[in-house]
Amino acid sequence: EVQLVESGGGLVQPGGSLRLSCAASGFTFSDYWMSWVRQAPGKGLEWVANIKEDGSEKTYVDPVKGRFTISKDNAENSLYLQMNSLRAEDTAVYYCARLRRSPWYFDSWGQGTLVTVSS
Amino acid sequence: QSVLTQPPSASGTPGQRVTISCSGSSSNIGSKTVNWYQQLPGTAPKVLIYSNNQRPSGVPDRFSGSKSGTSASLAISGLQSEDEADYYCAAWDNSLNGAVFGGGTKLTVL
Repeated sequence: EVQLVESGGGLVQPGGSLRLSCAASGFTFSDYWMSWVRQAPGKGLEWVANIKEDGSEKTYVDPVKGRFTISKDNAENSLYLQMNSLRAEDTAVYYCARLRRSPWYFDSWGQGTLVTVSS
Repeated sequence: QSVLTQPPSASGTPGQRVTISCSGSSSNIGSKTVNWYQQLPGTAPKVLIYSNNQRPSGVPDRFSGSKSGTSASLAISGLQSEDEADYYCAAWDNSLNGAVFGGGTKLTVL
């Protein structure tokens, strides 16, 4: 059974940093692209970033470019999101998701971790 | 402001058929496949339809998807109380090289 478990969320001040983790199990992690998707309180879903199976390709949504970094440790079966220069508008539940590429879709999701950016 | 446009709400009575629309552009729906996700209250999203009209195993055939041009729709027949949830359409966007979502449609079963 595919399992994705996020951790690392919490309260951080504007301008601060946070690192989210996603522990994967139940599948061969190194064979899959992975993504982060977020959801602000009471709002819809927003794709944040993707990373290729081997970590060689990364893409980001414009509002987080230059501030967030997605990474993947295939030896540890873990996905990460390093978030710097955090803003109030980054407040959201962050979901880790497995990305199928052909055809494309997010086929498994974690339970999410809440990031709150506030002074 | 979401890239894909969905109605904010929809409703129906048990047993009815409801449809939810999703409108995009040539850089997303017009050139890529569409997925639909169901988010029950307080839970993570779950894929309901992928590749425009394919159901993952375990998804009842009451749920169906279609796409035409730059629009897509999700149909739910034989509406049940447990279908009350938020529904999101999504497409790959060539210009972003990433996924775009609709703003979500809250389905109420009356």
